[in-house]
Amino acid sequence: AQSVTQLDSHVSVSEGTPVLLRCNYSSSYSPSLFWYVQHPNKGLQLLLKYTSAATLVKGINGFEAEFKKSETSFHLTKPSAHMSDAAEYFCVVSPHTGGGNKLTFGTGTQLKVEL
Amino acid sequence: GAVVSQHPSWVICKSGTSVKIECRSLDFQATTMFWYRQFPKQSLMLMATSNEGSKATYEQGVEKDKFLINHASLTLSTLTVTSAHPEDSSFYICSASPGLAGYEQYFGPGTRLTVT
Repeated sequence: AQSVTQLDSHVSVSEGTPVLLRCNYSSSYSPSLFWYVQHPNKGLQLLLKYTSAATLVKGINGFEAEFKKSETSFHLTKPSAHMSDAAEYFCVVSPHTGGGNKLTFGTGTQLKVEL
Repeated sequence: GAVVSQHPSWVICKSGTSVKIECRSLDFQATTMFWYRQFPKQSLMLMATSNEGSKATYEQGVEKDKFLINHASLTLSTLTVTSAHPEDSSFYICSASPGLAGYEQYFGPGTRLTVT
């Protein structure tokens, strides 16, 4: 079984300040973890993924995430927020071995970026 | 690379009619395709998984006779909502994967269905 918990449903930051979106996971397997972004009425865009290689993963648009097995966390960060980062972000887990590649989505975090 | 398209991007239909949504992988062969449903301000809910040439596997609580899925080729899957009702109004998103376990899914842009 696998699950994802996104600890904040809404996060608000000022433009130019750091972004932290929190995600904790639970998985019976050694998981793959993803962060996706969704802009209003759009599909999902992959920001980054962890698949048991380097624990610090760099993605697109300056985002990165660190896989911490001891804390079962995969938090998403960005040093400086931009207005265009305002969107919904989903943390997603997939079993790395066994169970197929069925994805389990977190409930999402709405990021608001203010001037 | 790894582009997935959906058609139509939005559709309005009358209650009782059926509507078909197409999902295509444009530059790769999709062994497996997935259909998700998303209600406003909520997360994605997996409806079904389909492998090319096989019957789709539906998640618990999803009516297979209402949501007909066909994965006839390695680049095309269709979702048909039969006898649509207003409660079927939602955002439907497909994804496609070039392999089985451990392969990444690539998402389509979604289809907004409104049933009047």
